Amino acid sequence: GAVVSQHPSRVICKSGTSVKIECRSLDFQATTMFWYRQFPKQSLMLMATSNEGSKATYEQGVEKDKFLINHASLTLSTLTVTSAHPEDSSFYICSIRIGGTGGYTFGSGTRLTVV
Amino acid sequence: DQQVKQNSPSLSVQEGRISILNCDYTNSMFDYFLWYKKYPAEGPTFLISISSIKDKNEDGRFTVFLNKSAKHLSLHIVPSQPGDSAVYFCAASGNTDKLIFGTGTRLQVFP
Repeated sequence: GAVVSQHPSRVICKSGTSVKIECRSLDFQATTMFWYRQFPKQSLMLMATSNEGSKATYEQGVEKDKFLINHASLTLSTLTVTSAHPEDSSFYICSIRIGGTGGYTFGSGTRLTVV
Repeated sequence: DQQVKQNSPSLSVQEGRISILNCDYTNSMFDYFLWYKKYPAEGPTFLISISSIKDKNEDGRFTVFLNKSAKHLSLHIVPSQPGDSAVYFCAASGNTDKLIFGTGTRLQVFP
């Protein structure tokens, strides 16, 4: 199946700084990638759909100016958390849909801690 | 508005017995359902899926049942093994590619 590589796996940043998370599809050309966020002991919540070559589609309640998404190629989508605050501390996961019975493949996730 | 719900936050089962994890959904447009297993600080791992044209799908120890009229699906694991201990999420998608996750059930299989 397709492999999704996510980097970094863990990052600690100071409040007010920006953090970039990369999601790479290693063996599949993904026109669409999905970004999720999971707070402790909660579900994975879809934040936005990243579309190659066009603007991302954000879910209700997600600030597009705070969570910048760039999908410049068929194998790379980036999520930048701008002016991070402690409440942005969470587990961020990207995903691609590969079709077939498996449906979706997920990255290994990025744990962001804002101090 | 939680479109996919798992009403049991946790489940404890003895090794060798059957584990039954339940999931309910509200959106009648969902037509594809998946179950994922997840460990802390890792991405979800796909287990099994089912299309709305079926009511059952089996893969080894894992069986998923879908009751469309009740908007309910369940995952059966038999026999349960200690290595099955994890958080299980059901997820659903419809006419868009968006995957909506349930709230998760923590399964603990004890010897």
